[in-house]
Amino acid sequence: SYEVTQPLSVSVALGQTARITCGGNNIGSKNVHWYQQKPGQAPVLVIYRDSNRPSGIPERFSGSNSGNTATLTISRAQAGDEADYYCQVWDSNTGVFGTGTKVTVL
Amino acid sequence: EVQLLESGGALVQPGGSLRLSCAASGFTFSNHAMTWVRQAPGKGLEWVSGISTSGGSTFYTDSVKGRFTISRDNSKNTLYLQMNSLRAEDTAVYYCAKALFGVVPFDYWGQGTLVTVSS
Repeated sequence: SYEVTQPLSVSVALGQTARITCGGNNIGSKNVHWYQQKPGQAPVLVIYRDSNRPSGIPERFSGSNSGNTATLTISRAQAGDEADYYCQVWDSNTGVFGTGTKVTVL
Repeated sequence: EVQLLESGGALVQPGGSLRLSCAASGFTFSNHAMTWVRQAPGKGLEWVSGISTSGGSTFYTDSVKGRFTISRDNSKNTLYLQMNSLRAEDTAVYYCAKALFGVVPFDYWGQGTLVTVSS
């Protein structure tokens, strides 16, 4: 089965840029989606198809995907961006979530 | 306003069965694939199962194949997950979610229902 790996945690200073990676074999050939989940809440879609933002998601959230790594970038990080972030792909008729990354804003 | 309301979560013994429901409103239910995603306590998200708009195509993660059945009733705007032969490792919050297009990604999620498998 397809495996997707993420760093366990990422720390970012307030107002700086956080980058969260999502690694997988030739993941650049797949559509990657990103979700934000805050404690006790359901996940929220923040990026779909590598780099598209749903309505209501700030422009500070952006995405890219190439080769074996997809990246979610959070610019001008705010305290409210503290959350777990998960990437997701569709492979062999199954949905595959990454292992999740906890983002801490210092 | 899109709303997804799960129900049916409970404490059940190993080997038991449970049926989850997800009542949808605020969108044309029959036009969107739907899915179930679960999250064990303190763990990450795990995709469980998905179903096409008509229900003609269903998809499962390996660990639930043969035990879980996803279905939908488009006349009732309701998604279901029949869970049989439950195991301790099935303990989780189960979310239903609506696909934005195709079968992924998921743009709206319910608040989840807790399934606990324990003796």
